[in-house]
Amino acid sequence: GESVGLHLPTLSVQEGDNSIINCAYSNSASDYFIWYKQESGKGPQFIIDIRSNMDKRQGQRVTVLLNKTVKHLSLQIAATQPGDSAVYFCAENIEATGNTPLVFGKGTRLSVIA
Amino acid sequence: DSGVTQTPKHLITATGQRVTLRCSPRSGDLSVYWYQQSLDQGLQFLIQYYNGEERAKGNILERFSAQQFPDLHSELNLSSLELGDSALYFCASSVGPTGGEQYFGPGTRLTVT
Repeated sequence: GESVGLHLPTLSVQEGDNSIINCAYSNSASDYFIWYKQESGKGPQFIIDIRSNMDKRQGQRVTVLLNKTVKHLSLQIAATQPGDSAVYFCAENIEATGNTPLVFGKGTRLSVIA
Repeated sequence: DSGVTQTPKHLITATGQRVTLRCSPRSGDLSVYWYQQSLDQGLQFLIQYYNGEERAKGNILERFSAQQFPDLHSELNLSSLELGDSALYFCASSVGPTGGEQYFGPGTRLTVT
């Protein structure tokens, strides 16, 4: 498969442990945030989103936390599995104006050790 | 499978040439977005079309152009290709005009030699 971002920060976790991937976003006016997962050779896949009127949102095995004060977003993956190995991107958007594109972060590579 | 299709999967061409990448959005989606992904740049937004009209423009070079057709499929045209244009090109689609939840296609790998 294709190799994305050879120089990305990498997080290595043991299978079964919890993973926390962090993202600092750039625009204090951003009000909508998304986490994407990109496996080798594939396009980014939507995982979970959160709007700025919330500070936490949970999905299946994933939780996104938003701290607007310090412009920080995190993705927590519970009981990490080998299939979670991928590059994870956060993306931000100003949904209120309806006219700004998603801005993606550089990405973090998650490597799960079996 | 996101429902977004892209062709071709791989494209190898020489410098100075012109290529066309094609994207079909998910059924019902009116917005199409184009992104470039290179090893050291991450995902860079190029351009968005909504229901046939250009809606937002990002870091798209003048040598690149795009359009969305009445059947909502989109084409990205890259001309006067340079070695630095080698990258993955992704198309994404969404229901509405805002840049929210987007569904990505599998990408086209362009190699310029």
